[in-house]
Amino acid sequence: KQEVTQIPAALSVPEGENLVLNCSFTDSAIYNLQWFRQDPGKGLTSLLLIQSSQREQTSGRLNASLDKSSGRSTLYIAASQPGDSATYLCAVISSRLTFGEGTQLTVNP
Amino acid sequence: EPEVTQTPSHQVTQMGQEVILRCVPISNHLYFYWYRQILGQKVEFLVSFYNNEISEKSEIFDDQFSVERPDGSNFTLKIRSTKLEDSAMYFCASRKGAGELFFGEGSRLTVL
Repeated sequence: KQEVTQIPAALSVPEGENLVLNCSFTDSAIYNLQWFRQDPGKGLTSLLLIQSSQREQTSGRLNASLDKSSGRSTLYIAASQPGDSATYLCAVISSRLTFGEGTQLTVNP
Repeated sequence: EPEVTQTPSHQVTQMGQEVILRCVPISNHLYFYWYRQILGQKVEFLVSFYNNEISEKSEIFDDQFSVERPDGSNFTLKIRSTKLEDSAMYFCASRKGAGELFFGEGSRLTVL
């Protein structure tokens, strides 16, 4: 059974800082890995999708990496802004999509 | 930009009542999913649907739950006899192939 873990559970940083969110998974037989953002009481917004054959994807200030063999992915956020405050969820896609518990990010002005 | 839409956004019901949550996936997508998120907890897989049948379901998706794609556009989740612990946000999602999964805004179910 796939287990997905995200570290840290919560993170508070000053505006402008670069930061890294971590995701690990137990079964490396995955199709894809997807990072989402969730604002309080809202749905899930897709940020980046990494195919299993890829090692990283970039979108604007976001960069996600994938190391299947070690069961890890990182989400790098450059020059963080208060609007980046949200919960970031990592989801591993095998036969189903399994979510981690998320990292709650607060960027302080 | 195409999106997954869900209705209602919030439903309040009495324990034991039947509830139907509706979703309109993105039109050319082939795979459909229901997930739920109990307040303060992680997003949990309920069921996946492909080619007009359930392809996988979780331990949560017991006989009280059912899904249907009654026409070419809607994808519904029915809870036959709601329990207090069914209170959660229910998310519908769809994808075309092996690509990105798109989620709706969710339907909040409150069981009293």
